[in-house]
Amino acid sequence: AIQLTQSPSSLSASVGDRVTITCRASQGISSALAWYQQKPGKAPKLLIYDASSLESGVPSRFSGSGSGTDFTLTISSLQPEDFATYYCQQFNNDALITFGQGTRLEIK
Amino acid sequence: QLQLQESGPGLVKPSETLSLTCTVSGGSISSSRYYWGWMRQPPGKGLEWIGSIYYSGSTYYNPSLKSRVTISVDTSKNQFSLKLSSVTAADTAVYYCASQIQLWFFDYWGQGTLVTVSS
Repeated sequence: AIQLTQSPSSLSASVGDRVTITCRASQGISSALAWYQQKPGKAPKLLIYDASSLESGVPSRFSGSGSGTDFTLTISSLQPEDFATYYCQQFNNDALITFGQGTRLEIK
Repeated sequence: QLQLQESGPGLVKPSETLSLTCTVSGGSISSSRYYWGWMRQPPGKGLEWIGSIYYSGSTYYNPSLKSRVTISVDTSKNQFSLKLSSVTAADTAVYYCASQIQLWFFDYWGQGTLVTVSS
């Protein structure tokens, strides 16, 4: 099964900062990657799919890039509501889904 | 837009079978666009995919859970269900259902339901 490794596992940042989270796949997955945001006690929310496509209604400060094995989620200017845990998820063509272990984004 | 709602017992005894149902509203479970998936999240931990089903009944399961999992669909009720057998404390988690574009990413999620395995 394809494994996803996110880095860092946790991150402290300030409002207005530019933040980048990395997700590395154990084998190439083309652009078959999504990013989710999860706040405490809530279900995950889809932010990015196909590595770089912004889900409808998601602020443009969120962006995704990468293909193959290395992917990034960037938040261009952190807002107070962005402090949450972020997960990557791969959907390669073997129909087996895996998630990264998560990156917790905290207020500095 | 789609809405999903999980339902089922919040407490299950060890060795018994966990059973949950997800009710879909705002759209048809028979849509060719969607698969329907189950995920879980143990307290304080990350997300784990359990499996997915198409309205026709085709299923895909996480290999680590496959021997204990059954996912089924009832198109007449616009519902799909999860059964997890021989549960232990390690199966204590918040269980989520979600709509899955093809077999790709999950765009709508239920609110989640906590299932505790304890005697």
